[in-house]
Amino acid sequence: RKEVEQDPGPFNVPEGATVAFNCTYSNSASQSFFWYRQDCRKEPKLLMSVYSSGNEDGRFTAQLNRASQYISLLIRDSKLSDSATYLCVVNAGGTSYGKLTFGQGTILTVHP
Amino acid sequence: ETGVTQTPRHLVMGMTNKKSLKCEQHLGHNAMYWYKQSAKKPLELMFVYSLEERVENNSVPSRFSPECPNSSHLFLHLHTLQPEDSALYLCASSQEPSGSGDTQYFGPGTRLTVL
Repeated sequence: RKEVEQDPGPFNVPEGATVAFNCTYSNSASQSFFWYRQDCRKEPKLLMSVYSSGNEDGRFTAQLNRASQYISLLIRDSKLSDSATYLCVVNAGGTSYGKLTFGQGTILTVHP
Repeated sequence: ETGVTQTPRHLVMGMTNKKSLKCEQHLGHNAMYWYKQSAKKPLELMFVYSLEERVENNSVPSRFSPECPNSSHLFLHLHTLQPEDSALYLCASSQEPSGSGDTQYFGPGTRLTVL
């Protein structure tokens, strides 16, 4: 089983649509969770951290379910500029020295 | 920009060549990382350095040799690579290398092709 598994996508949605990405992780000891965004041929950049209580940043909402080891990202009112690969990222914490484990990514294309 | 720079941005080398990748961070961070991103595969952590000391070697072959002369600079020395080592090599830095999940900031990467 992959340590971090994401919807493979690709997702093709019209501007203004709402789209949701899912992610599961296998290590129950994982402590920190993130969504990164990676544009084509660019480096990954942090989109948002994910907290147990859920958190929202503008059009983006992230949820964490520790019992199910499940993370989600919801994007409302999609913009063309949201087109990118979204990476689910997990940190095992403890003595794992900042070791981030990345999912394979979900490709999102927003079209006019 | 993220404050992490990498050179060169593109590199083509033969299997018998020796080359080095360079990473520099201007953020005052204490931890630096090397990752490998191959086509259609997740990013893979290769090495972690904390205050110039290597704290993680993720089962990387010895043909990859990291060097961290100070907390701002990180090198990846390459020797006798294989074609399957062709990938995007990303450097990242964070304030601390702890498990608390400090944000990691990535450089633009070096796209390596091994012929």
